[in-house]
Amino acid sequence: AQTVTQSQPEMSVQEAETVTLSCTYDTSESNYYLFWYKQPPSRQMILVIRQEAYKQQNATENRFSVNFQKAAKSFSLKISDSQLGDTAMYFCAFMKPLSNFGNEKLTFGTGTRLTIIP
Amino acid sequence: DARVTQTPRHKVTEMGQEVTMRCQPILGHNTVFWYRQTMMQGLELLAYFRNRAPLDDSGMPKDRFSAEMPDATLATLKIQPSEPRDSAVYFCASGPGQVGGKDGYTFGSGTRLTVV
Repeated sequence: AQTVTQSQPEMSVQEAETVTLSCTYDTSESNYYLFWYKQPPSRQMILVIRQEAYKQQNATENRFSVNFQKAAKSFSLKISDSQLGDTAMYFCAFMKPLSNFGNEKLTFGTGTRLTIIP
Repeated sequence: DARVTQTPRHKVTEMGQEVTMRCQPILGHNTVFWYRQTMMQGLELLAYFRNRAPLDDSGMPKDRFSAEMPDATLATLKIQPSEPRDSAVYFCASGPGQVGGKDGYTFGSGTRLTVV
C-alpha cells in the first residue's frame, strides 16, 4: 500500500516570501501521479498542481512549482511571492494509475497548515 | 466551471437518526468517490464507484454505512443509525474516465455532519 507523509503540520511566512512544503511518499510503483490540493477555510478542496512520475520536468502553475525527486520519493511544493489568499491547508496526494479505463483512488498526506502573515 | 454539488452543506442530527448525503458529480465523469475528513484521521476513502458500479467500499463501516449511485447524476451516502463518532466532513469527488487519471479529481464543498 502507498503512504504519503507530510512532516510539517504547520508553517507560516510573511506575505511576498517564498515557502516550500515537504512531502514524501512510499510506493513500489514505477508510474504514478502526484498532486497538491489546497483547502482554504471554506473547506473546498482545490487542485493546485499535478506531476506525472514519468515526466522528469517539474510541473509549474504560475506561482506554484514542485520539486519532484523520484529516486528520493520526494514531492515538495514551492509557493513564490506568497499571498494572503494562499492561507490554507495543503495536502499532498498520490495516485496509482489504472491500466484500463478509469481512475484510481487518491491517498492523502495529513496536511500542512500554511499561514501567510500580512 | 463545472462543479460537484453536495447537499446538504451542514447537517446536525441526533444519535440514532438516519442521515443521507447527496452528490451530483460533474456530467460525463464516470468515477465518483466518497471521502471523510476528521482531525484525527485526516482524509479517508470510504467508497468509490466507476460507471455506477461500486469498486471499493472497504473503508466504510458496513453495518451502518451504505453508498449507492441510483443513476449517473446522483450518488448517495447513508448512515443508519448515526453515532457521535460519525461527526466529520464528508466529501464527494468525481473524475473523468481517462486512463491514468492524470487530471485528478474535482471535489464538492463537503457536508459537515454533526451527530449529537
